[in-house]
Amino acid sequence: EPEVTQTPSHQVTQMGQEVILRCVPISNHLYFYWYRQILGQKVEFLVSFYNNEISEKSEIFDDQFSVERPDGSNFTLKIRSTKLEDSAMYFCASSDLYSEKLFFGSGTQLSVL
Amino acid sequence: EDQVTQSPEALRLQEGESSSLNCSYTVSGLRGLFWYRQDPGKGPEFLFTLYSAGEEKEKERLKATLTKKESFLHITAPKPEDSATYLCAVLRGASYDKVIFGPGTSLSVIP
Repeated sequence: EPEVTQTPSHQVTQMGQEVILRCVPISNHLYFYWYRQILGQKVEFLVSFYNNEISEKSEIFDDQFSVERPDGSNFTLKIRSTKLEDSAMYFCASSDLYSEKLFFGSGTQLSVL
Repeated sequence: EDQVTQSPEALRLQEGESSSLNCSYTVSGLRGLFWYRQDPGKGPEFLFTLYSAGEEKEKERLKATLTKKESFLHITAPKPEDSATYLCAVLRGASYDKVIFGPGTSLSVIP
């Protein structure tokens, strides 16, 4: 069964450093997303991406965040200068219909020290 | 303000003891309601989509139903492997809108 893969599974970084989280969505999907989940809290929407541009973004997705699809398979989330409050599990997802039946990866646990 | 709430927060069942989880929503122009299952340390796994009041979907021991203000996830004769957090999520009718997740119900099924 096709799946969304994310790397790395864990990332530890110092405050102020840049991190890039990587994802390989399901190959025939057209819509890509990043969500995050702070420990014990709700899954929160960050950004959606379609046709090489951002479709929707939340208030969390400020100028420190950016997304890119550098080639035909990868989808990345960059945090330019990490803060302590960026510590969370970050999930990539993809779908063939916008926002419907999302397929999630297993996540990257980001710890900012 | 659009909101999704779930109850109970946690539920502990004996194996075989059926029960229901509730998802209540206040969303203008609901386009779809989704149920996901999340195991510890994993991403949510899609279970069902419901589009209109009165709709029902079933998968193994799970059955999801939808009314105009809430959805229920019924679990019949649960097994320990059904233990997980069950998430409800809603999508409004606007184009390119985001999915809003509820806080989840943590289900434990004891052998």
